[in-house]
Amino acid sequence: NAGVTQTPKFRVLKTGQSMTLLCAQDMNHEYMYWYRQDPGMGLRLIHYSVGEGTTAKGEVPDGYNVSRLKKQNFLLGLESAAPSQTSVYFCASRQPPGGGGRDTQYFGPGTRLTVL
Amino acid sequence: AQSVTQLGSHVSVSEGALVLLRCNYSSSVPPYLFWYVQYPNQGLQLLLKYTSAATLVKGINGFEAEFKKSETSFHLTKPSAHMSDAAEYFCAIARSNDYKLSFGAGTTVTVRA
Repeated sequence: NAGVTQTPKFRVLKTGQSMTLLCAQDMNHEYMYWYRQDPGMGLRLIHYSVGEGTTAKGEVPDGYNVSRLKKQNFLLGLESAAPSQTSVYFCASRQPPGGGGRDTQYFGPGTRLTVL
Repeated sequence: AQSVTQLGSHVSVSEGALVLLRCNYSSSVPPYLFWYVQYPNQGLQLLLKYTSAATLVKGINGFEAEFKKSETSFHLTKPSAHMSDAAEYFCAIARSNDYKLSFGAGTTVTVRA
């Protein structure tokens, strides 16, 4: 199993450009998440999904959109990139709450995005 | 709302010395608590978790953490630091029936030879 993969690994954008980050998981997990990581702030939740076709806002959703058309994929979109969106983006997935280790989130390797 | 506070953004230890990373939590319901480690240019990896079973939790790579309700703490320790322990460590909290994690700001550990 590849686990959680993210595409691309690095990207540089100009202000106002758009892009989509792809997250894929092969563990048949129901829940998927997008976080951003900034120095001194830990990870902050952008959006999440509790199943195919569902999405919900997290802590810092402004400027981002997401889609979960397939269970294994979770896309994060930036319609008009801003320098404040320069960050490292992590995707994660997990099973719904329950016993037997279902409470653990599994993380992808991250996408480093720079907006000039 | 739940939250965690990590005390100290940077910790420097000598190889072979005790590693102690502090995490205090705030929660109105019994929490689930986690420690994750992030090696340079990598994603987060689960070290250990507390889910209301034993209060002393053992994790990977010789790390352990103790849940202390009276002190609202979940500090991470390792008796003897190794060079490979140099990384950033995150404490995180979730409600037992919830699916969202809230992370602390992280503590960077450097290990001196």
